[in-house]
This record gives sequence, structure tokens and C-alpha cells, in this order.
Amino acid sequence: EIVLTQSPGTLSLSPGERATLSCRASQSVSSSYLAWYQQKPGQAPRLLIYGASSRATGIPDRFSGSGSGTDFTLTISRLEPEDFAVYYCQQYGSSPGLFTFGPGTKVDIK
Amino acid sequence: EVQLVESGGGLVQPGGSLRLSCAASGFTFSSYWMSWVRQAPGKGLEWVANIKQDGSEKYYVDSVKGRFTISRDNAKNSLYLQMNSLRAEDTAVYYCARGMQQLPNFDYWGQGTLVTVSS
Repeated sequence: EIVLTQSPGTLSLSPGERATLSCRASQSVSSSYLAWYQQKPGQAPRLLIYGASSRATGIPDRFSGSGSGTDFTLTISRLEPEDFAVYYCQQYGSSPGLFTFGPGTKVDIK
Repeated sequence: EVQLVESGGGLVQPGGSLRLSCAASGFTFSSYWMSWVRQAPGKGLEWVANIKQDGSEKYYVDSVKGRFTISRDNAKNSLYLQMNSLRAEDTAVYYCARGMQQLPNFDYWGQGTLVTVSS
């Protein structure tokens, strides 16, 4: 079973700053299967990045994804007030859990 | 516009049953894998089950195997989750999510329905 670890658990930053979020897999993951989601309180998750680096429809270009193998990164170039949220990485792999989410990184206002 | 609307959540006693529904609109429902993903209060996301376009393949996370059944009715553009032998640890918001075509990620999500298992 592939386990995803996200760091840091919480990232305290100010609007306008750059955010760098990490997602590490316990074994190599296909880049095609790695995605990032944003979730705000009381809302459903929203797909940001798929295939490790492709932005989903309507996602601003301040969001970018990179990485391969076991290490993946979500970067928010300049934080906007609406970007303060929890971010999850997700991968697809073999059983027992076909789909696995990381524990999340909370980006909050410093 | 793609819309996914869940219903059927509520309070149920341990050992009880509940059936969740997800009404889909704005896309060709029969062309997509569909999943249920849950989130316990204050916790992260956990994929629960998914089903192929024609219902011929279904997969479950180990913790719900033998207790939950995913199904769909393409004529009604609807996804279901039959939950039996419910446990306290099944308490969560349950989201219906659409699988991306050609990729194993989720591009649209419903707003979720809360299931509370408690005596």
C-alpha cells in the first residue's frame, strides 16, 4: 500500500508570499496519477492539479505542480486571500486502497 | 454545468443501514467512473468505493468491504451507496465524485451528505 505524507502540516504565510507544499510517497508513483485538491471549510474539495503538473479547468496560473517518483510539490506563487485552505495530494495505486489521499497541509494566514 | 447532489444522510444507530444517493446532471453520466469519498469530522479524505461506467467493475476500501455496496442507474443519472452494519467510525461527510476520463482523479464533487452513526 502506498502511503502519502504531506509537509508541513501547517504553513503560516501572508498574502503575496510564496507557498511550497510537499507530498512524499512511500514508493514510486506514476506522475500521471498524482493530483492536488483544495478544500475550504464547509466546502467540497476542488481539483487543482492532475497528472502532477496540469492545471484543472479554471485554476489560476499561480498554482503549479511538479515532481516525479516519490516527491511532488504544489507551489502557489503569490498567495491570494482565497487561497488559505487545506490542500491534499492524491494518488492512484494498487489495492487495498485504490485511491489514497495525503493527510493534508493547512495554509493559514500569518 | 456539472452538478452532483447527494442525499440520504442522517443519524443511524450502530449496526443500522442507510442508502445514499447522488443525482448527476450536466454531463453524460454513463460515460464516467464514479466514486464515493468520505471525510470524518475534522479529518482528511478517504476514498470509499468506485464503479465503472456500466457497473461491471466495483472496488472498495478494505474497511467497508462486505458492508457497503456501490451501484448506479444510468437511466436515472444516479449513483448509490448502500451502507449496512454501520459503525461509529463510518461517521463522516460522504461525497459523490466524478472520475476524470483517462485519469484516476476526481474532477467534480458534490457538496456531501453527513452520516452520523451513534446510539
